[in-house]
Amino acid sequence: NAGVTQTPKFQVLKTGQSMTLQCAQDMNHEYMSWYRQDPGMGLRLIHYSVGAGITDQGEVPNGYNVSRSTTEDFPLRLLSAAPSQTSVYFCASSRAPRGGTGELFFGEGSRLTVL
Amino acid sequence: RKEVEQDPGPFNVPEGATVAFNCTYSNSASQSFFWYRQDCRKEPKLLMSVYSSGNEDGRFTAQLNRASQYISLLIRDSKLSDSATYLCVVNSAGGTSYGKLTFGQGTILTVHP
Repeated sequence: NAGVTQTPKFQVLKTGQSMTLQCAQDMNHEYMSWYRQDPGMGLRLIHYSVGAGITDQGEVPNGYNVSRSTTEDFPLRLLSAAPSQTSVYFCASSRAPRGGTGELFFGEGSRLTVL
Repeated sequence: RKEVEQDPGPFNVPEGATVAFNCTYSNSASQSFFWYRQDCRKEPKLLMSVYSSGNEDGRFTAQLNRASQYISLLIRDSKLSDSATYLCVVNSAGGTSYGKLTFGQGTILTVHP
């Protein structure tokens, strides 16, 4: 059972480049989300989706785009990378709406460095 | 004031010790509470939910104090394998029925021989 799969695990970008972090889950979860984790900041919600075709902004959405064309996939796009986007990114899914009362299942994380 | 605050530690304890972490939250309308565990350079995983009456899972006990707006995690008989970062997570009432999950910055625990 793969759970939540994120790719790539590591990426180095130059300022201004764009890229997409991929996230796929095989648990048929309606809720999917993207977090970033920075030292001393905890995990902060970037964008989330409560089902195919539905996305919404989280706490720190600027500089990121998402789409949800299928239940399984929830890619995160960096439009024009900036050094402030250097972080560890986690994709998470849940059976419960917005993960509120259910367990969040996380991918292994993607470490992004922007030079 | 942060919505969810934890003492970042680190807590360094010997094997067999009892250790407790507290987490405070600012939104009195918060509805659900969780502790997640995160190993070094790994993803967070749910450790346990926190119920109003308190709950226990083996060596781990979680408690909620709504009046003072804090939750706690007690680990008894610490093992080397308990070394990790413990994340406090609070679901606060939001603009929708879904609420909003807020993570604390985590408390680092190191258990040494």
